Amino acid sequence: DAKTTQPPSMDCAEGRAANLPCNHSTISGNEYVYWYRQIHSQGPQYIIHGLKNNETNEMASLIITEDRKSSTLILPHATLRDTAVYYCIVRQTSYDKVIFGPGTSLSVIP
Amino acid sequence: SAVISQKPSRDICQRGTSLTIQCQVDSQVTMMFWYRQQPGQSLTLIATANQGSEATYESGFVIDKFPISRPNLTFSTLTVSNMSPEDSSIYLCSVVMEGAGPYGYTFGSGTRLTVV
Repeated sequence: DAKTTQPPSMDCAEGRAANLPCNHSTISGNEYVYWYRQIHSQGPQYIIHGLKNNETNEMASLIITEDRKSSTLILPHATLRDTAVYYCIVRQTSYDKVIFGPGTSLSVIP
Repeated sequence: SAVISQKPSRDICQRGTSLTIQCQVDSQVTMMFWYRQQPGQSLTLIATANQGSEATYESGFVIDKFPISRPNLTFSTLTVSNMSPEDSSIYLCSVVMEGAGPYGYTFGSGTRLTVV
């Protein structure tokens, strides 16, 4: 599996957009970019995934660069409940085991 | 997505003893995994629990320390053997449900283990 790099921590003001970057420069053509988050003391939760097109769902948007070497997860209007560790992962299918990196600890500030 | 029941939710154990953690799923799932999360750290994959055969362990984890069983498609156990304080962690079960797409990869709420 390709590896990803993320900033260890970020702050975001409540109500503003949170933009979480991820680098995956060695991603292969058949690997998807997945995002999960872990709110304190809970199991990780799926957020969104994409291959090469930008994606949006009720939780977030995912912007993938044209060369697919990086992506950005956007939480359009961050709330205090979005404070969590966010993990960017690349994998081929939904059945592949998930290998977690350190992730980005997002703090949403009132 | 599948609903996972993990037991116990927490335990405090004496060093040198063993603890068996149970993971029960409300429907048949394709794959089951066990993770460890040490204090302040990310999740580390221990092994893939294979139904009817020996688990597949990741580098750094061995069967003698973390024996795993998966007798059917809805149940698995992880045993933490001969525990030491370094084994104090949250242990999480996760499952993959066929046909559920990305929402099919779900996690239990974890077992918080403290070894004294």
